[in-house]
Amino acid sequence: AQSVTQPDIHITVSEGASLELRCNYSYGATPYLFWYVQSPGQGLQLLLKYFSGDTLVQGIKGFEAEFKRSQSSFNLRKPSVHWSDAAEYFCAVGGFYGGATNKLIFGTGTLLAVQP
Amino acid sequence: GAVVSQHPSWVICKSGTSVKIECRSLDFQATTMFWYRQFPKQSLMLMATSNEGSKATYEQGVEKDKFLINHASLTLSTLTVTSAHPEDSSFYICSASRDRRETQYFGPGTRLLVL
Repeated sequence: AQSVTQPDIHITVSEGASLELRCNYSYGATPYLFWYVQSPGQGLQLLLKYFSGDTLVQGIKGFEAEFKRSQSSFNLRKPSVHWSDAAEYFCAVGGFYGGATNKLIFGTGTLLAVQP
Repeated sequence: GAVVSQHPSWVICKSGTSVKIECRSLDFQATTMFWYRQFPKQSLMLMATSNEGSKATYEQGVEKDKFLINHASLTLSTLTVTSAHPEDSSFYICSASRDRRETQYFGPGTRLLVL
């Protein structure tokens, strides 16, 4: 079955510290992988995506993620967190398993708090 | 580019009434639009996928007669919650993509409260 696991429900980091949010997936075909960020009461903003090619993907706001096929992981990283990064982060996997539409399956999200 | 809007941003209605939510792609043509539901502190659950000019495809467990989806043009999809009940209260988010194989761009969401 297709699924996405985000093991950390809630993470708190100090401003300026590095960040890594974990994401593991299970997918029956070549996965397309995404990270989205959601601020309170808002929709989702795409941070970055991986379709193919270089396994280290750069995104907006200084985020990057690395696709590791052997570990079925797509962890999100940022070297120095800013207070404005406090939000909820969703990992998603998509592709064409069982159909021709890029349906997304979302993880349960990781809520990031940033301490001053 | 790739901006998606939703209207209204929030709505309160009485139980038994119907509510329509609009999703528009402002600067691109969306062949495919998706509707999601998000419960408090939970993830997004896909409700249905709609392709312009054809009937929506609903996910298992989603009542198609209760959640009517229309995708009449390449820039507009609507979700109508019919005979709304308090348990339908939720955050509804749409997304749109230029092609069924492309990245999805999300709207800001519509918060529905049914009294």
